Amino acid sequence: EADIYQTPRYLVIGTGKKITLECSQTMGHDKMYWYQQDPGMELHLIHYSYGVNSTEKGDLSSESTVSRIRTEHFPLTLESARPSHTSQYLCASRASGRVYNEQFFGPGTRLTVL
Amino acid sequence: QKEVEQNSGPLSVPEGAIASLNCTYSDRGSQSFFWYRQYSGKSPELIMFIYSNGDKEDGRFTAQLNKASQYVSLLIRDSQPSDSATYLCAVTTGGNQFYFGTGTSLTVIP
Repeated sequence: EADIYQTPRYLVIGTGKKITLECSQTMGHDKMYWYQQDPGMELHLIHYSYGVNSTEKGDLSSESTVSRIRTEHFPLTLESARPSHTSQYLCASRASGRVYNEQFFGPGTRLTVL
Repeated sequence: QKEVEQNSGPLSVPEGAIASLNCTYSDRGSQSFFWYRQYSGKSPELIMFIYSNGDKEDGRFTAQLNKASQYVSLLIRDSQPSDSATYLCAVTTGGNQFYFGTGTSLTVIP
């Protein structure tokens, strides 16, 4: 079982609120990722990080920001939540070194913005 | 053109049959290929990876890779109702990016 954690697991919040979704991993992986996935739909990469102080935007601009101050921690922040942000958010991590290293996924945060 | 293409399905097979899931990719420099299973409402979990041409078997699962045709497949033998899920194909070129397909929904009918 992968040691990657996400909190909260479920969140219902009103429009305009600022929220931070937490993701932590204890595997020492330098690569971390945030995905957005609607039910039955494909994964969309929002942000990724290759290591401390390194972050990049993915294909989907979700008006969110990330930070990577510590290897194990990769939080995602929505400055002003909107109903269009309602979705499942998945965090993943991956070790460097071998091309066949897999991505490990956290359990996800299901976000509902009213 | 997307990096990774999969038929979205749904694919239905009777219990005990072989389920065949297919995936094509566009970058000839792709090096590793992964199959993930995702149950409804859950996170993806790795089933297998393959990086050499040919077949790789793990229990009831066989991954097949043909780099010349840029094609990777997953065969599930003796399909069980518990195999009903969405199967995601993923590809990496060796860098930091993973490219996921849209997934194929599989239903195994008892």
